[in-house]
Amino acid sequence: GNSVTQMEGPVTLSEEAFLTINCTYTATGYPSLFWYVQYPGEGLQLLLKATKADDKGSNKGFEATYRKETTSFHLEKGSVQVSDSAVYFCALYQAGTALIFGKGTTLSVSS
Amino acid sequence: DAGVIQSPRHEVTEMGQEVTLRCKPISGHNSLFWYRQTMMRGLELLIYFNNNVPIDDSGMPEDRFSAKMPNASFSTLKIQPSEPRDSAVYFCASSFLAGDGETQYFGPGTRLLVL
Repeated sequence: GNSVTQMEGPVTLSEEAFLTINCTYTATGYPSLFWYVQYPGEGLQLLLKATKADDKGSNKGFEATYRKETTSFHLEKGSVQVSDSAVYFCALYQAGTALIFGKGTTLSVSS
Repeated sequence: DAGVIQSPRHEVTEMGQEVTLRCKPISGHNSLFWYRQTMMRGLELLIYFNNNVPIDDSGMPEDRFSAKMPNASFSTLKIQPSEPRDSAVYFCASSFLAGDGETQYFGPGTRLLVL
């Protein structure tokens, strides 16, 4: 069945450091891919998405490129801020199913 | 847009009591999802509805849990009787199910503590 695997956390960085959170998926066909973010005490919210191979989703300085050849959708940001501290979830969608979430990666950024 | 509305935001109850969580999805959305989040198990999909019809309830832990969606603007998740292991944050999410991708909008969650 379909699945999403993301890197174990927590990830601890200093402000202005480069961020990468790895995400790989298993699916038949051509799923849509998402990154959601959960700030402390809140629900998840969509950060970015890509619906076909080679698409790049971007938002708030975060980027992720849909790589079908490596079945990956890694999240990157060039310079993180303390306010980016949150839990990040990679997710996959195919028609006829519900969203499949990864286990989440906790990011902690210190000043 | 008010977003997904959940009530109550916090609930403390004693073991054996009935608990009812409520959700109002975003107007116009046709899919609704109930999730549970704990430190140990992460985010779990309990059940989802499409056009008010339950599509997949395989994530519902046991018969103590039940969910209904009587109309497009309201859903409930009920636990009867509640147990301490049900303590978690319960999220409701809604979406407009389209062909090329599904963006879910989450509510703020209900924090349930069963003593």
